[in-house]
Amino acid sequence: GENVEQHPSTLSVQEGDSAVIKCTYSDSASNYFPWYKQELGKRPQLIIDIRSNVGEKKDQRIAVTLNKTAKHFSLHITETQPEDSAVYFCAASLNYGGSQGNLIFGKGTKLSVKP
Amino acid sequence: DTEVTQTPKHLVMGMTNKKSLKCEQHMGHRAMYWYKQKAKKPPELMFVYSYEKLSINESVPSRFSPECPNSSLLNLHLHALQPEDSALYLCASSQPLRGTGELFFGEGSRLTVL
Repeated sequence: GENVEQHPSTLSVQEGDSAVIKCTYSDSASNYFPWYKQELGKRPQLIIDIRSNVGEKKDQRIAVTLNKTAKHFSLHITETQPEDSAVYFCAASLNYGGSQGNLIFGKGTKLSVKP
Repeated sequence: DTEVTQTPKHLVMGMTNKKSLKCEQHMGHRAMYWYKQKAKKPPELMFVYSYEKLSINESVPSRFSPECPNSSLLNLHLHALQPEDSALYLCASSQPLRGTGELFFGEGSRLTVL
């Protein structure tokens, strides 16, 4: 089955700096890679996702890159702000025709942005 | 309406009690999920219903019993739970066909088993 490794487990940056979180996956058939942000006491919320036919996707200050050969994908947050502080989870699944397979989450990265 | 609504938000129960968690969505999604999340851990998949049929059961103990009465509702019946079952139980939904694959999570039901 799929296994997702996520690093680092904690990350502390100064406001305005960039933050990078990296994940690797084991199942080469996985084709859908979302990133979720979970603030303390709240639900996980999708912030960006990427599919295996795309190498990079950007949405304002957030970008995700995917290297299918190496089976790793990364989240990049630029110009970090205190409100970016949260736990970030990467995930991987086999998503076929829109049907959601078993979404496997990484262990999470606690990001702290210091003012 | 892009909400997944879960009730109750908090539940305290003894090991001999029977209780139920409820989840509702009105986005027309035909896949619904139960996840369990312990503190400082990622969500762990428990069950998946696709078109009201149970499609995935991740070897969950029988003291947890899911039910999908219709395409908008998902229940999780709880019986004879253990203290280690205390966790945040998250319901989610997604659109299986022509969907993006995005999971929409509810706020969760925080369960404490005494």
